Amino acid sequence: GENVEQHPSTLSVQEGDSAVIKCTYSDSASNYFPWYKQELGKRPQLIIDIRSNVGEKKDQRIAVTLNKTAKHFSLHITETQPEDSAVYFCAATLSGTGNQFYFGTGTSLTVIP
Amino acid sequence: DTEVTQTPKHLVMGMTNKKSLKCEQHMGHRAMYWYKQKAKKPPELMFVYSYEKLSINESVPSRFSPECPNSSLLNLHLHALQPEDSALYLCASSQVDRHYGYTFGSGTRLTVV
Repeated sequence: GENVEQHPSTLSVQEGDSAVIKCTYSDSASNYFPWYKQELGKRPQLIIDIRSNVGEKKDQRIAVTLNKTAKHFSLHITETQPEDSAVYFCAATLSGTGNQFYFGTGTSLTVIP
Repeated sequence: DTEVTQTPKHLVMGMTNKKSLKCEQHMGHRAMYWYKQKAKKPPELMFVYSYEKLSINESVPSRFSPECPNSSLLNLHLHALQPEDSALYLCASSQVDRHYGYTFGSGTRLTVV
């Protein structure tokens, strides 16, 4: 099955700085890579996703890049704000029956005002 | 309606009790999932239903019994749980062959005493 590694496990940045979280995956057949943000006590919420036919996707202050050859993808948050503080999970999956998501171990991001 | 609704939000049960968790969605999604999440850990897949049939059981102990009575409803029946089963139980749904719209419910916080 798929194995997803996520780094770093914790990340502290000053407000206004950028934050980068990286994930690597093992199954070259994986073709969909979502990122979820989970605030304390709340559900994981999809913030951005990318498919394997695209190298980069951006949505305002959030961007995701995918390197299929190296089998890694990254989340970039620019101009960080205190409300960006949360746990971020990457995931990888293969289209097909079951749609099982393989989650990374999570990154706890703290934005210091 | 773009929500996955889970009830109850909180549940405290004894080790000899029988209880059920309920998940409902009206987005026409034909894949539904149960995840278990411990604090500061990623969600762990338990069960996947596709077209109301169980397609994945991730070697979950039999004290957890899923049920999908129709395309909108997913239940998780609990019996003889252990304190280590205390966790956040998340339901999610998606289209069977697509990943966008993979939506988590707000979860049931379960405490086994």
